[in-house]
Amino acid sequence: DGGITQSPKYLFRKEGQNVTLSCEQNLNHDAMYWYRQDPGQGLRLIYYSQIVNDFQKGDIAEGYSVSREKKESFPLTVTSAQKNPTAFYLCASSIRGHRPFFGPGTRLTVL
Amino acid sequence: AQKVTQAQTEISVVEKEDVTLDCVYETRDTTYYLFWYKQPPSGELVFLIRRNSFDEQNEISGRYSWNFQKSTSSFNFTITASQVVDSAVYFCALSGGGADGLTFGKGTHLIIQP
Repeated sequence: DGGITQSPKYLFRKEGQNVTLSCEQNLNHDAMYWYRQDPGQGLRLIYYSQIVNDFQKGDIAEGYSVSREKKESFPLTVTSAQKNPTAFYLCASSIRGHRPFFGPGTRLTVL
Repeated sequence: AQKVTQAQTEISVVEKEDVTLDCVYETRDTTYYLFWYKQPPSGELVFLIRRNSFDEQNEISGRYSWNFQKSTSSFNFTITASQVVDSAVYFCALSGGGADGLTFGKGTHLIIQP
């Protein structure tokens, strides 16, 4: 969907290193989300933020951290505490009660 | 807790056949929303439909149609006269209507053979 950018598209990191995934939206949406997708699996919610300077853990928050200092930005840090970080990460944003718009995703590979 | 079940992991049909993707959901909310997304090999999620819990009318959009039955907690998706371009993974998802994210099923991989 237009309006949400995620960079980079592919990301490689060595085991034990923290890595930050970028998510920016220009849709003026209050809510933003991070999902993780593993092969053959659906998307699982990592963190979400309903308003600036506030965020909540989703179903699989362990080993991840986020910040929401600006309405447009919701970066996700994958820390070394995340045991299996290799996955496809999707960011989304929405207006409350409306359908979420998804970014193109970032494929993270930890070597 | 919310749950979405897509029991069909993979479906393979020959082009021009009709195909139905099943979705069964669980929720305690009285107001909720159901979604279908398409994920082609590129990985991006393509929005197909959003349906609220108070609207049980079936919907048709071109070759796509959706059957929402509250009595059986199902929201099935039918593609009529399938085409090779329909090949993708299809996800059904559920939301409580707030801004706390979607609950996704595990997806159905649809393969349309020429």
